[in-house]
Amino acid sequence: QSVLTQPPSASGTPGQRVTISCSGSSSNIGGNSVNWYQQLPGTAPKLLIYSNYQRPSGVPDRFSGSKSGTSASLAISGLQSEDEADYYCATWDDSLNGWVFGGGTKLTVL
Amino acid sequence: QVQLVQSGAEVKKPGVSVKVSCKASGYTFTNYGINWVRQAPGQGLEWMGWISAYNGNTDYAQKLQGRVSMTTDTSTSTAYMELRSLRSDDTAVYYCARSYRRVAFDIWGQGTMVTVSS
Repeated sequence: QSVLTQPPSASGTPGQRVTISCSGSSSNIGGNSVNWYQQLPGTAPKLLIYSNYQRPSGVPDRFSGSKSGTSASLAISGLQSEDEADYYCATWDDSLNGWVFGGGTKLTVL
Repeated sequence: QVQLVQSGAEVKKPGVSVKVSCKASGYTFTNYGINWVRQAPGQGLEWMGWISAYNGNTDYAQKLQGRVSMTTDTSTSTAYMELRSLRSDDTAVYYCARSYRRVAFDIWGQGTMVTVSS
């Protein structure tokens, strides 16, 4: 049971826009920034979004993040086949005094 | 280029310890922290703890307190994670990941598979 709640799966067709949600509480998302990681099959996770909406150098602007209250979202526009991966949200939890992750969302490009 | 290179796969029996290394290159090692994150087969990511490469301060996940130790060797820019009293549910891929302050894990190692089996 993960501290942050994500839908286990999401899907879309090429060119579509999909969003992935991440729900937490006041001790984690409510008081701290959210990061998103992309994990392609068989590889290490990669930082996709940090500090709620910032993109590291090299990440396409098709990827965007937002946060409101105790929830956050990752949006992917212009969906491409190479976006098929697992996506994880993460943030600091003040009660647990540690980083917490969502359970991950498997994105399928139909 | 900035990278973290981890040691190879390990197979261990229950009850023993494992020590995984993570060698950094391409940046000033002591300007960042190193986190350890593990992923059991088919499961999500779990944060294990953090060590400052600057002064060796550590912060461990409550669940692993007493069984995990993280150290660094600044002369070789290498971080280490030791997990003791291994159990079958410690079977996982173990990743090291760089962080600057408490912002995000921006660089990840390739992962080290640790299998615990009798």
